[in-house]
Amino acid sequence: KQEVTQIPAALSVPEGENLVLNCSFTDSAIYNLQWFRQDPGKGLTSLLLIQSSQREQTSGRLNASLDKSSGRSTLYIAASQPGDSATYLCAVRPNSGYSTLTFGKGTMLLVSP
Amino acid sequence: NAGVTQTPKFRVLKTGQSMTLLCAQDMNHEYMYWYRQDPGMGLRLIHYSVGEGTTAKGEVPDGYNVSRLKKQNFLLGLESAAPSQTSVYFCASTRRLGAPPNTGELFFGEGSRLTVL
Repeated sequence: KQEVTQIPAALSVPEGENLVLNCSFTDSAIYNLQWFRQDPGKGLTSLLLIQSSQREQTSGRLNASLDKSSGRSTLYIAASQPGDSATYLCAVRPNSGYSTLTFGKGTMLLVSP
Repeated sequence: NAGVTQTPKFRVLKTGQSMTLLCAQDMNHEYMYWYRQDPGMGLRLIHYSVGEGTTAKGEVPDGYNVSRLKKQNFLLGLESAAPSQTSVYFCASTRRLGAPPNTGELFFGEGSRLTVL
């Protein structure tokens, strides 16, 4: 059974810092890995999607990497801003079966001005 | 571009009442999912569907029923609501593997906040 772990569970940084959020998974037979952002009381917004054949994806100040063989993905946020404060979740989709995704429990990020 | 739409967004029920949550997607997605999200528990899959007329149980299906009579709609029903079903419910959809164009990206609705008294 696939397990997804996100470390740390919470992170507090001052504005302007570069930071890394981690996501690890136990089964490397994945179709893709997706990073989401969730603001308090809101739904999940897709940030980046990495296919299993890709090593990284970038969007603005965000960069997500994937090392399938080691079961790891990182989300790098450059020059953090208070508006980046949210919970970040990763999810992996298997490459077979009926594609029930497995989610991590998220990292709650607080960026202080 | 509506994406995934959930109705209602908020609902308060008394124990024993029934209700239905509606999820509608306009992206022609084959797969649809219902999750619940509770503090400290993360997202847990309730039921899912891989196509019109099909449903399957997820991780926490007890107390819920679902139906997918039309490809674009996925309904989640509570026949006799219990306080333990107080939660935020999310619907999501994606294309099936191998269906072009297919990035496998998962799209979520805004959520439905349910309180059972």
